[in-house]
Amino acid sequence: DTAVSQTPKYLVTQMGNDKSIKCEQNLGHDTMYWYKQDSKKFLKIMFSYNNKELIINETVPNRFSPKSPDKAHLNLHINSLELGDSAVYFCASSPHHRGQREQYFGPGTRLTVT
Amino acid sequence: DAKTTQPNSMESNEEEPVHLPCNHSTISGTDYIHWYRQLPSQGPEYVIHGLTSNVNNRMASLAIAEDRKSSTLILHRATLRDAAVYYCILASGGSNYKLTFGKGTLLTVNP
Repeated sequence: DTAVSQTPKYLVTQMGNDKSIKCEQNLGHDTMYWYKQDSKKFLKIMFSYNNKELIINETVPNRFSPKSPDKAHLNLHINSLELGDSAVYFCASSPHHRGQREQYFGPGTRLTVT
Repeated sequence: DAKTTQPNSMESNEEEPVHLPCNHSTISGTDYIHWYRQLPSQGPEYVIHGLTSNVNNRMASLAIAEDRKSSTLILHRATLRDAAVYYCILASGGSNYKLTFGKGTLLTVNP
């Protein structure tokens, strides 16, 4: 069983569209994250949710809206897509929101905006 | 966030040990030292982490200097599957835990 799964794996869309990426973890973890890896391969935290509550928002444009319907799911909705949003988006989870424990990452969603 | 410094790249031969260094001179008392790796076209993968004492697991060993200002990730017998970018990251033991990735070390393993 996949611990952290993301759908879709690839997403190609045009500028101005709205799209969503879904993430699910079956590890029973309390905390989930979204990271973005740009074309230069830098990985940056975007959001963190702990038990469905937003705890980290790293100055991400408000076109990005995370939603956590329950603690096993963290979805990312992006409005009015821009060329600069093209990247690989990784979801991750950890047992709790303190640095004593490791994070588990999903396989990534490659978003291409044309 | 406290910063880490790693070599841009390292090379190793298959079945030989690999020692990946990391400097973190501004580490605070509550920072955990985490190591992750990213294989090509995959998500980051947890390797090991520790606070003060050396740590061993099935993947690797982590040696932490006594003053905690540096650490070394040890792969005991490198395989071709270990070729990846290795990231050394400091993570606060407090709340709002996040991983701040740097450039990492690109490890090449020669057959």
